[in-house]
Amino acid sequence: NAGVTQTPKFRILKIGQSMTLQCTQDMNHNYMYWYRQDPGMGLKLIYYSVGAGITDKGEVPNGYNVSRSTTEDFPLRLELAAPSQTSVYFCASSYGTRIGGYTFGSGTRLTVV
Amino acid sequence: QKEVEQDPGPLSVPEGAIVSLNCTYSNSAFQYFMWYRQYSRKGPELLMYTYSSGNKEDGRFTAQVDKSSKYISLFIRDSQPSDSATYLCAMSFFLTTSGTYKYIFGTGTRLKVLA
Repeated sequence: NAGVTQTPKFRILKIGQSMTLQCTQDMNHNYMYWYRQDPGMGLKLIYYSVGAGITDKGEVPNGYNVSRSTTEDFPLRLELAAPSQTSVYFCASSYGTRIGGYTFGSGTRLTVV
Repeated sequence: QKEVEQDPGPLSVPEGAIVSLNCTYSNSAFQYFMWYRQYSRKGPELLMYTYSSGNKEDGRFTAQVDKSSKYISLFIRDSQPSDSATYLCAMSFFLTTSGTYKYIFGTGTRLKVLA
């Protein structure tokens, strides 16, 4: 049981480049989330999805896009990377939002130079 | 004022000490309270969650919620070097406008247990 798998683990991008952060879960969770974590700032929600085909913006969606074509996959797309997007990105999933917690992936450390 | 406040630490304690980690919050709508542990360069992992005021115990860990004071705590007994990590509190409440739960994380407290 792999849980939530994120790739790549590390990436350096140049300003203006684009990339996709991959996230896959094998727990049949309906809900999936993308967070970014910056030092001293806690976890900020970028986008979330309540099921295949349904996505919505979180607190900090600007500069990002998502899609959810299957229950398992929830990729995060960065268009025109900027230094402000340097961060650690975590994907998470859960059965629902009512109770319990999230299962997080191990993160993608992104640097934009 | 932030919705959830958490002292960033770092907090250094000797092995075997009792550790107290705390969060305060401002929104009385929060219903569910969680604690996550995050090791360096890893994702957060859920330690405990509680719904009501009072205590919940799991091995060496005790989560305490005081809704009247808007204050939650995590106690670690007989702390071990392997407990060295960042501990994040989290809390959630139901948003009637969207039909989903709003989930807020604290910024985390870095704990170091010295052998």
